[in-house]
Amino acid sequence: QIQVVESGGGVVQPGKSLRLSCAASGFTFSSFGMHWVRQAPGKGLEWVAVIWYNGINKYYADSVQGRFTISRDNSKNTLYLQMDSLRADDTAVYYCARDIIYGSGTYFDSWGQGTLVTVSS
Amino acid sequence: DVQMTQSPSSLSASVGDRVTITCQASQNINTHLNWYQHKPGKAPKVLVYAASSLQSGVPSRFSGSGSGTDFTLTISSLQPEDFATYYCQETFNTLTFGPGTKVDIK
Repeated sequence: QIQVVESGGGVVQPGKSLRLSCAASGFTFSSFGMHWVRQAPGKGLEWVAVIWYNGINKYYADSVQGRFTISRDNSKNTLYLQMDSLRADDTAVYYCARDIIYGSGTYFDSWGQGTLVTVSS
Repeated sequence: DVQMTQSPSSLSASVGDRVTITCQASQNINTHLNWYQHKPGKAPKVLVYAASSLQSGVPSRFSGSGSGTDFTLTISSLQPEDFATYYCQETFNTLTFGPGTKVDIK
């Protein structure tokens, strides 16, 4: 059974850092790209970042570029999101999701339940 | 960047109703369009990918259509478990999600 479970959320002050983790099981983690997606309170889904299966290629939304770093440890089947210089508008539930490639396209087929990050003084 | 819009932003419907949600892209995205269902406190779930391909395990009452800039998600007969928020997502450019359409009970 494919499963991804996020952890590491909490309350953090503006300007501080936090690292999220996403533990994967039930599939060959090292064969799949992985994403982070977030949902601010009362808002819609926002894609945050992607990392390719081998950890070499990484891409970010403009809103987090230069502040967030996505990484993975394929030996531990774990995805990470290092969040630095946090701002109030980073407050959201953060989801990790598995990437599925078809032809020239992609979609996210397995998502976790999310972990809540609250940035507040 | 590609901008995505959805209409309506919310709708009220009854069990058994046919429901149609539209999604529009600001530029041609061919068929690089996915649809997701999201319920509060739950993991989002992919329904349709590549504009019209039904994800394995998704009931056949869900269908997607469209190409270019205009897309549609149709629920042929709304069931109690379908009350949720629905998002389109373009994967042609920056993986942008639409603003969502909330479907609730009339």
